[in-house]
Amino acid sequence: DVKVTQSSRYLVKRTGEKVFLECVQDMDHENMFWYRQDPGLGLRLIYFSYDVKMKEKGDIPEGYSVSREKKERFSLILESASTNQTSMYLCASSRRGRSGGYTFGSGTRLTVV
Amino acid sequence: SQQGEEDPQALSIQEGENATMNCSYKTSINNLQWYRQNSGRGLVHLILIRSNEREKHSGRLRVTLDTSKKSSSLLITASRAADTASYFCATDVGRNTPLVFGKGTRLSVIA
Repeated sequence: DVKVTQSSRYLVKRTGEKVFLECVQDMDHENMFWYRQDPGLGLRLIYFSYDVKMKEKGDIPEGYSVSREKKERFSLILESASTNQTSMYLCASSRRGRSGGYTFGSGTRLTVV
Repeated sequence: SQQGEEDPQALSIQEGENATMNCSYKTSINNLQWYRQNSGRGLVHLILIRSNEREKHSGRLRVTLDTSKKSSSLLITASRAADTASYFCATDVGRNTPLVFGKGTRLSVIA
């Protein structure tokens, strides 16, 4: 069963901590994405990557960075966590060049206290 | 912003009834997709309709697309309690451009 795996379902971090959210896919997809989901705001794109070592800013990249050292892994980094980064974080992947559906992970609910 | 807007925000129906959700968007698109999200989980892809298509079916799902009105609808026929979830439309403006999601419709199907 093909899937996207996010390392944690729930995470609680303190303000100012550096936070790593990991995402791994086993479908050999070229494209990977990070979204955050907040009530009333829907899903908003943070960063995406179309290939190893490539990254593109989404709509809300401020306060975040990403790393894609291997094709199957896309990490989201909160450089200095703040309370307004409390959210559900969703990772997704897709195949390059084909307009097809995304495969999503189960999400990481991050709380920053 | 390209972001789609689903309508209604919430919908409650009885089991066996049909559920219709609408999505409007602002710019020309390449494809429109619908996703489902069970509470607190990731999204699951349901169906994709291309900009040159007007209607598509998949099981109990029927999607229409009207590019002149920049709108789409998702119809779920003979709904079941298990269809209770949030439904999102998502659009892209070209190949290999990221999907932009709407805010979703929360569907409750009462047994």
